[in-house]
Amino acid sequence: AQSVTQLGSHVSVSEGALVLLRCNYSSSVPPYLFWYVQYPNQGLQLLLKYTSAATLVKGINGFEAEFKKSETSFHLTKPSAHMSDAAEYFCAVKDSGGNTGKLIFGQGTTLQVKP
Amino acid sequence: SQTIHQWPATLVQPVGSPLSLECTVEGTSNPNLYWYRQAAGRGLQLLFYSVGIGQISSEVPQNLSASRPQDRQFILSSKKLLLSDSGFYLCAWTQTNSPLHFGNGTRLTVT
Repeated sequence: AQSVTQLGSHVSVSEGALVLLRCNYSSSVPPYLFWYVQYPNQGLQLLLKYTSAATLVKGINGFEAEFKKSETSFHLTKPSAHMSDAAEYFCAVKDSGGNTGKLIFGQGTTLQVKP
Repeated sequence: SQTIHQWPATLVQPVGSPLSLECTVEGTSNPNLYWYRQAAGRGLQLLFYSVGIGQISSEVPQNLSASRPQDRQFILSSKKLLLSDSGFYLCAWTQTNSPLHFGNGTRLTVT
């Protein structure tokens, strides 16, 4: 079965500092991986996705993620944090069983940005 | 372009009362539809998904049910709410080779 583990339920950085949110996956087949962001009391918004093309994926709002098969990781980074980046971030893997389109989510990481 | 509507945005219901949450998608046909629940500190849990009209798959045993009476309409229901049904409910849709798109969610508080 596929799964996603996000290391660290809370991450705190200073404004202007590097953002690194960690995600490791487990999958017996080449995975499709996603990062979503959720602002308070809102739905999830897609940041970026990996679908077996380039291993470095660029997304919206200056975020990017690198797929590393040897490490089974898909960490999310941003060179310089903004106050507006404070939100909850979810890593997800697409369920490979059947054509259901289901996503399996990690537990989420809350990003706090300090002024 | 495609849009997803989910309502109501917030709901406060007493224990034992019924529930009906509605989700509709516009601008596409035959989407896969999903209901997720988000409880504090527990990430997103898939409750139901549907790949077509009248086709519902349940992911976890629970006090809730889902229906898809029309191609782009997905309804989450309960006959009698429990305290444990409180949470943030998210509807989502996708099609082949597209990512999952979410509605803005419904905050349900069962008192």
